[in-house]
Amino acid sequence: GDSVTQMEGPVTLSEEAFLTINCTYTATGYPSLFWYVQYPGEGLQLLLKATKADDKGSNKGFEATYRKETTSFHLEKGSVQVSDSAVYFCALSSGSARQLTFGSGTQLTVLP
Amino acid sequence: KAGVTQTPRYLIKTRGQQVTLSCSPISGHRSVSWYQQTPGQGLQFLFEYFSETQRNKGNFPGRFSGRQFSNSRSEMNVSTLELGDSALYLCASSFGDKNEKLFFGSGTQLSVL
Repeated sequence: GDSVTQMEGPVTLSEEAFLTINCTYTATGYPSLFWYVQYPGEGLQLLLKATKADDKGSNKGFEATYRKETTSFHLEKGSVQVSDSAVYFCALSSGSARQLTFGSGTQLTVLP
Repeated sequence: KAGVTQTPRYLIKTRGQQVTLSCSPISGHRSVSWYQQTPGQGLQFLFEYFSETQRNKGNFPGRFSGRQFSNSRSEMNVSTLELGDSALYLCASSFGDKNEKLFFGSGTQLSVL
């Protein structure tokens, strides 16, 4: 079945540091890939998505590129801020399913 | 525009009881999905409803059920609660197209004692 493997956390960075959170997937066919973010006490919010190979999703300085050859969708940001502290989830949907398969989540803490 | 509203925010039940959680989607959205979030299992898909019909179902026992009303509001029910049902239950709404953005509510935190 489908699965998503995410980099284990927690990750602690200083403000303005470079961020990478690794995500690899296993899926049948050609899945769509997503990054969601969850702030404390809130539900998930879509951060970015990519629906086909080589697509780059981007939002709020975050980027991720759909790499079919390595089955990866790593999240990157050039300069993190304290306000980026949250839990980040990589997810996929495949086939005709309208459901998301999530990774385990990566807790990010950014220190001033 | 109001977001996805889930009620109640917190719930405490005892083993063997049943519980009903409610979700009001964003106006105009016809799809409502439910997810269970636990520290051990992470986020797992429960089911999805579209125009009052269940379109997809995850791998959960029959104790977990749901329904959707004509105004797109949805409820999920868990019968014969077990300790392992303690979790944050998240509802998400969308227009119902594949790959589109899901809008999540803040969830209902269920504790089973």
